[in-house]
Amino acid sequence: EPEVTQTPSHQVTQMGQEVILRCVPISNHLYFYWYRQILGQKVEFLVSFYNNEISEKSEIFDDQFSVERPDGSNFTLKIRSTKLEDSAMYFCASLPQGETDTQYFGPGTRLTVL
Amino acid sequence: SQQGEEDPQALSIQEGENATMNCSYKTSINNLQWYRQNSGRGLVHLILIRSNEREKHSGRLRVTLDTSKKSSSLLITASRAADTASYFCATGRSGGYQKVTFGTGTKLQVIP
Repeated sequence: EPEVTQTPSHQVTQMGQEVILRCVPISNHLYFYWYRQILGQKVEFLVSFYNNEISEKSEIFDDQFSVERPDGSNFTLKIRSTKLEDSAMYFCASLPQGETDTQYFGPGTRLTVL
Repeated sequence: SQQGEEDPQALSIQEGENATMNCSYKTSINNLQWYRQNSGRGLVHLILIRSNEREKHSGRLRVTLDTSKKSSSLLITASRAADTASYFCATGRSGGYQKVTFGTGTKLQVIP
């Protein structure tokens, strides 16, 4: 069964460094999402992406964050200058055209900012 | 309360017992979904119920939805130690294609 994949599974970085989290959505999916979960807290929406542009973003998704679909398969989340509070699990999700409901989540990338 | 609040926050039961988790939400929804998360791991989609449905079954899972009370429940029957995980409800708004909003989660422990 097709799956959303994410790399790396764990990323450790120094405060102020840039990180890029990568996701490969399921191949025929057209809607893409990033969520994050700070340890012990609930999953929070960051951004949704469709037709090569952001369709919705949350307050968390400030100028430090950006998303890109650089080719036909990858979907990336970039954090320009990481802060300690960016430490979290980041989940990518995708949704096929024709479905409006079930988002398919990747396994997540654990980001640790030191 | 926030959109998607689960109750109880934590639940500990013996293997073989049933586990019931509740979720309340505030705004109108298109659907409600339940996810499972093992400690520090990814989200596993369990079941989706649409706003025009009242009950849905999948294996040992039974989900109910009461849109008049803006609440849902997830029942796991004949629990197993492997069911130990956090369970989240997530609501999808009308219009589709949009974000889902997660609740705070119920941490379930099934004691063998």
